[in-house]
Amino acid sequence: DAGITQSPRHKVTETGTPVTLRCHQTENHRYMYWYRQDPGHGLRLIHYSYGVKDTDKGEVSDGYSVSRSKTEDFLLTLESATSSQTSVYFCAISDRFGGNGGYTFGSGTRLTVV
Amino acid sequence: GESVGLHLPTLSVQEGDNSIINCAYSNSASDYFIWYKQESGKGPQFIIDIRSNMDKRQGQRVTVLLNKTVKHLSLQIAATQPGDSAVYFCAENVQGAQKLVFGQGTRLTINP
Repeated sequence: DAGITQSPRHKVTETGTPVTLRCHQTENHRYMYWYRQDPGHGLRLIHYSYGVKDTDKGEVSDGYSVSRSKTEDFLLTLESATSSQTSVYFCAISDRFGGNGGYTFGSGTRLTVV
Repeated sequence: GESVGLHLPTLSVQEGDNSIINCAYSNSASDYFIWYKQESGKGPQFIIDIRSNMDKRQGQRVTVLLNKTVKHLSLQIAATQPGDSAVYFCAENVQGAQKLVFGQGTRLTINP
């Protein structure tokens, strides 16, 4: 997706290990979001950022932390991965409050915790 | 509270027919709505949006209808093509809220 990249695209990790997913944007958008997508649950918001060093929790934030030290990067960390965190993770960006104009999504990271 | 849902989890249509995907929302304070398309292995892509001061908006082969009275949103795809096969999500923004809320999605499959 133009202007937003996620890395890695796929990762397999062991239970109890820390994992960091990266979202990088070149659009200079203020707002960035991390979602997870699971069958039967759709897209659920984990954390979001409304500026450098400004972040807030979403509906499923337990077990996750985020950091945004510069506009272009938003990192999602699983401090100690569990099998319940096996999911597809999407990053999204927006330049307007409330998602007006829509979000632009990355291609996703498929994370498997074994 | 905020919630966005879909009437049908799957929809199967014949190629060339029109498709209608429905979405219900519960928050009367929602004032902005979006439809997204997600193809297999990809992230959701913006299709069309509509604000609450409108009832209808048209794009290329797509039309979104908003019925605020019954809190219902629909996406109409004209002359459905194989490339339209995907999962379609609706999303809403409650006035003053900082984020979108997404529905669970409807899978659209096209029969040849």
